[in-house]
Amino acid sequence: GNSVTQMEGPVTLSEEAFLTINCTYTATGYPSLFWYVQYPGEGLQLLLKATKADDKGSNKGFEATYRKETTSFHLEKGSVQVSDSAVYFCALSTVSAGNQFYFGTGTSLTVIP
Amino acid sequence: EAGVAQSPRYKIIEKRQSVAFWCNPISGHATLYWYQQILGQGPKLLIQFQNNGVVDDSQLPKDRFSAERLKGVDSTLKIQPAKLEDSAVYLCASSRDRGPFEAFFGQGTRLTVV
Repeated sequence: GNSVTQMEGPVTLSEEAFLTINCTYTATGYPSLFWYVQYPGEGLQLLLKATKADDKGSNKGFEATYRKETTSFHLEKGSVQVSDSAVYFCALSTVSAGNQFYFGTGTSLTVIP
Repeated sequence: EAGVAQSPRYKIIEKRQSVAFWCNPISGHATLYWYQQILGQGPKLLIQFQNNGVVDDSQLPKDRFSAERLKGVDSTLKIQPAKLEDSAVYLCASSRDRGPFEAFFGQGTRLTVV
């Protein structure tokens, strides 16, 4: 089946620290991978995506590389800011599953000044 | 481009009452999703539409939940009767046809059942 396993939170970092949020997946077929971010009281917003192996998605200083050999899509940022405080969701979608999205449980990030 | 619109933003009802949520997807998006997000969890798919048709409703509790998509555009999700465990945020999302395309989410409706 299809599923996403995310690093447990919550995560608290000081401003300018390095961020890694781990994400691994299982999928039938060839998935596309996504990171979504949810700010308090808001819906999910796409942060970045990758549609094939070795692709790197990037946006707003965040990066994630689609690693087929390790079935992983870890999110990284070199220097976090207070404004990055949010909940981050890893997700996958496959054509074989009708393009349904499967989400991880989310990782809450708090960045302190 | 206008985003996915949902209403209401918040709703408080008593158990056994009924409630309805409305969603207007991004213009031209053929696929519409309803997700349930319980506090502290990731979104869980309730139902997926492709135009007028249902693609997947395997996780929709059909004894109390129903959904329809009128003319392949707007959609409503109804709960009747509500239970305490239905307290959650209900997210509507849409995406273009012929994936894989990202889904665009509305702000959600926060339902509290008391």
